[in-house]
Amino acid sequence: DADVTQTPRNRITKTGKRIMLECSQTKGHDRMYWYRQDPGLGLRLIYYSFDVKDINKGEISDGYSVSRQAQAKFSLSLESAIPNQTALYFCATSESYNEQFFGPGTRLTVL
Amino acid sequence: GNSVTQMEGPVTLSEEAFLTINCTYTATGYPSLFWYVQYPGEGLQLLLKATKADDKGSNKGFEATYRKETTSFHLEKGSVQVSDSAVYFCAQGGGSNYKLTFGKGTLLTVNP
Repeated sequence: DADVTQTPRNRITKTGKRIMLECSQTKGHDRMYWYRQDPGLGLRLIYYSFDVKDINKGEISDGYSVSRQAQAKFSLSLESAIPNQTALYFCATSESYNEQFFGPGTRLTVL
Repeated sequence: GNSVTQMEGPVTLSEEAFLTINCTYTATGYPSLFWYVQYPGEGLQLLLKATKADDKGSNKGFEATYRKETTSFHLEKGSVQVSDSAVYFCAQGGGSNYKLTFGKGTLLTVNP
């Protein structure tokens, strides 16, 4: 089984809808991250969490919110989706500065 | 702030050709440096890393050396294979917040 899982893997929604992307990990790591990937822009950090009580904004947090329900679960929400939030979203975990482990990604399309 | 600049793609090579993907960084202090690879339809996975100056990271025939004097971490492979076709990301990070800063990625296509 994969160590970092994301659901759903693909989602098409309409402008204005609320969307939640979920991430679960079995690696036992305290640190979790949400990134978005856009062609030609690489990965940009949306939010990160060092434990259940520690949530931090990344470089592009506007329009997004997160919830750390447990050590193993970190959800990303789009309260009112807009077309420029169409992207590939990745969750990642880490326990040291040497490596982050990525999930398979969620492809989100906002019409 | 911290940033990573890597060679723009796409890069197209024939099998067994030599590969170089350039990466330079700006940072305060001495970050750890990474190369991640993303195969089609998959998430990113760590390819190699170096945590201090002059360290050489290596994996699967790929190598990169942490050059403090030129603030660079270029990725090289002596003989690429079709299976190396992927997007390669250079990243820097570490420190107390464990955040990574990524370059924009370089698409490599290797033809038989």
